[in-house]
Amino acid sequence: KQEVTQIPAALSVPEGENLVLNCSFTDSAIYNLQWFRQDPGKGLTSLLLIQSSQREQTSGRLNASLDKSSGRSTLYIAASQPGDSATYLCAVLSHNTDKLIFGTGTRLQVFP
Amino acid sequence: DARVTQTPRHKVTEMGQEVTMRCQPILGHNTVFWYRQTMMQGLELLAYFRNRAPLDDSGMPKDRFSAEMPDATLATLKIQPSEPRDSAVYFCASGLGLRGTDTQYFGPGTRLTVL
Repeated sequence: KQEVTQIPAALSVPEGENLVLNCSFTDSAIYNLQWFRQDPGKGLTSLLLIQSSQREQTSGRLNASLDKSSGRSTLYIAASQPGDSATYLCAVLSHNTDKLIFGTGTRLQVFP
Repeated sequence: DARVTQTPRHKVTEMGQEVTMRCQPILGHNTVFWYRQTMMQGLELLAYFRNRAPLDDSGMPKDRFSAEMPDATLATLKIQPSEPRDSAVYFCASGLGLRGTDTQYFGPGTRLTVL
């Protein structure tokens, strides 16, 4: 059974810092790994999707990497801003399923 | 700007009452998902449909929950009778069902409180 873990559970940093969020999963047979952002009281917004054959994806100040063999992904946020404050969720789509399995998220606060 | 819509956004009801939540997926998406989010359990998949056919509802308590897609533009999730432990945020999401390359697009959620 696929399990997804995210650390840290919460993170508070000053504006401008580069930071790394971690995600690990137990079954490497995946189609893709996705990172989502959730603002308080809102739904989830997809940030990056890494297919199983890819090693990383970039979008603006965000870079996500995937090491399928070790069951790990990192989300790198460069030059963090207060607007980046949100909960970041990692999710994997395992083989032979349409189900996304989510981690419990990392709550990020970036203060001015 | 295509997006998933959900109604109602908030619902407060008393234990034992029926609750119906509605979702309009993005036009052209053939896969629809229902999730529940709580502080304790995080995001859990309740059920999903492809081309309006239910593919998996193993995440739902069968005795009280039911999910349907009467047509391609409407998905419903019903709870009857509702219980306080059903209090959560319920999200609908839709996608193209292209494994590996497609993401899911989430609605804003229905926040349910059962007293």
